Amino acid sequence: DGGITQSPKYLFRKEGQNVTLSCEQNLNHDAMYWYRQDPGQGLRLIYYSQIVNDFQKGDIAEGYSVSREKKESFPLTVTSAQKNPTAFYLCASSPRTGYEKLFFGSGTQLSVL
Amino acid sequence: AQSVTQLDSHVSVSEGTPVLLRCNYSSSYSPSLFWYVQHPNKGLQLLLKYTSAATLVKGINGFEAEFKKSETSFHLTKPSAHMSDAAEYFCVVSDPNTPLVFGKGTRLSVIA
Repeated sequence: DGGITQSPKYLFRKEGQNVTLSCEQNLNHDAMYWYRQDPGQGLRLIYYSQIVNDFQKGDIAEGYSVSREKKESFPLTVTSAQKNPTAFYLCASSPRTGYEKLFFGSGTQLSVL
Repeated sequence: AQSVTQLDSHVSVSEGTPVLLRCNYSSSYSPSLFWYVQHPNKGLQLLLKYTSAATLVKGINGFEAEFKKSETSFHLTKPSAHMSDAAEYFCVVSDPNTPLVFGKGTRLSVIA
């Protein structure tokens, strides 16, 4: 089945630790995105990538990093610089940026120990 | 930059009565507009999409939305609410070649 796979479903981070959230898609989409969802805040864009080996900061990129070495993969690292990392993280993809329906993964809930 | 404002954080309706979820947008272009729905513990699902064709857009599950450029609005409606409609609804705007921008969401409660 085509789709987006996020792992793990739940993740716990200790103080000062970097953690990486995985996102893989087999839809052959060029564009991939990371959104953060907090109650009452909607979805806020962290980073996006329009093509392999290229990515752009979104509205809340501080404390996060990404890579796009392969078309199908767009991992997100939550660094120790992100002081409030507890949130629900959603990965999405689309054939291209803008004007397009997004295909979402099932999300990763990150909590701080 | 484009933006979207959902005017109500929470809407409560009785089963069988009409639903109105309000959304205003800001864009420098002729935007694309979307409504997504998120049911508890489920993923985001596209309800409907406007991309400069007909101004009245019909979506899944009996929902529809009307694009009104003069009012910069894209309100979501449904004639008769069902218990299964209880969810979080997001209004979304997109300009050419830019990522989608989400509103803060409206939580719809349906009372039996």
